[in-house]
Parts: sequence; C-alpha cells; structure tokens
Amino acid sequence: KQEVTQIPAALSVPEGENLVLNCSFTDSAIYNLQWFRQDPGKGLTSLLLIQSSQREQTSGRLNASLDKSSGRSTLYIAASQPGDSATYLCAVITNQAGTALIFGKGTTLSVSS
Amino acid sequence: GAVVSQHPSRVICKSGTSVKIECRSLDFQATTMFWYRQFPKQSLMLMATSNEGSKATYEQGVEKDKFLINHASLTLSTLTVTSAHPEDSSFYICSAGNGQGNSRAFFGQGTRLTVV
Repeated sequence: KQEVTQIPAALSVPEGENLVLNCSFTDSAIYNLQWFRQDPGKGLTSLLLIQSSQREQTSGRLNASLDKSSGRSTLYIAASQPGDSATYLCAVITNQAGTALIFGKGTTLSVSS
Repeated sequence: GAVVSQHPSRVICKSGTSVKIECRSLDFQATTMFWYRQFPKQSLMLMATSNEGSKATYEQGVEKDKFLINHASLTLSTLTVTSAHPEDSSFYICSAGNGQGNSRAFFGQGTRLTVV
C-alpha cells in the first residue's frame, strides 16, 4: 500500500530564506507526483506536476525534483515571502487508469516578515 | 487550466438532515471524479471514486448508504451526506480528471460541512 510522508510537519522561517520541503513515498511505481498549496479552510491549488519520466519542474520561485527510484521528491522555495505561508501537500498517482491521488499530511509553512 | 467548481463552499445543517454537495467540471468532460474528506490537521483521504454512468467505488470504511454519490453526466458529480451527524463535520473536496494516469488533477474549492 502506497504511503506518502512529508517532513517537516511544520516550518517557520524569516522572509527571504530559501527552503526545502521533503516528500517520500513507499512504492516507487508512480505515474506522477503533484505538489499543492492549501490555504486555511480553502481548496487546493496545484503548484507543480512532475511526470514519472521527469526529474524536475520549475515555476517561478518554485522547483520540484523527483527521484522515483529512491521514492523522494523535494519542493524548493526560493526567497520565501509571507504570502508563501500555507500548507504544502505532496501527492502521487500510482495507477495508469488515473486513480485518485494519495496525499501526504503536508508541511505547514509560516514565513514571517 | 481546467476549472472544477464545487458548491456550496460552506454549509451548516441540523443533525439528522441530508446535505448535497455538487462538483462540476466547467470546461472539460470528467469521466472520473474523486471525493475526499479532510479532518482538521489531517491529510485528504479518498472517500470514493465516481465514474460517469456507473456506480461509485467506495474506499474501505466509507459507508455507501450514508455518502450517496451520483455521476449522471460528464460534468457533474454530487455527494449527498444522508442523516448527517456531528462526526460527519469535515472538509469535503472533489477533484476531476480525464481518466489518464499522467493528467493533472483539478480540485474544487471544497465544502466545509458543520453538523449541529
């Protein structure tokens, strides 16, 4: 059974710091991995999607890497801002038929000004 | 990108009543929709997979008679929480995709259900 773990559970940093969020999954046979942002009481915003054949994706200050063989992904946030404060969720799809995402519990990020 | 609209965003109901939540794909046809539930400080847990024109597939531990799912068209799936109880209070969120494993999942805005 696929399990997704995110470390750390919470992170507080001052504005301007570069930071790394970690995600690991137990079954390396995934089809893709997505990083989401969730603001309190809100839905999910998709940040980056990495296909199983890819090693990284970039969008603005965000960079996500994928090492499928070791079951790891990282989300790198450069020059963090208070507006980045949110919970970041990692999720994987493990079935070609497009079954549901399996989520980690998330990392709650707080960026202070 | 594709848009998934979920309604209502917030609902408060009395214990014993039923609540219907709608999930619509606005600009694409969703052969499959997923319903998740999220308790405070927990991750999203899949409740059921909704396939257009067929019965939903429920995850272990989810009561299909309590959480009724209907996916009557390629753009609409509904989740009805029947005879709601306070322990059903949670954040419910749907997602839609085109059924391909490498497609991006698009999520609705979520529904905060409070049963009093």
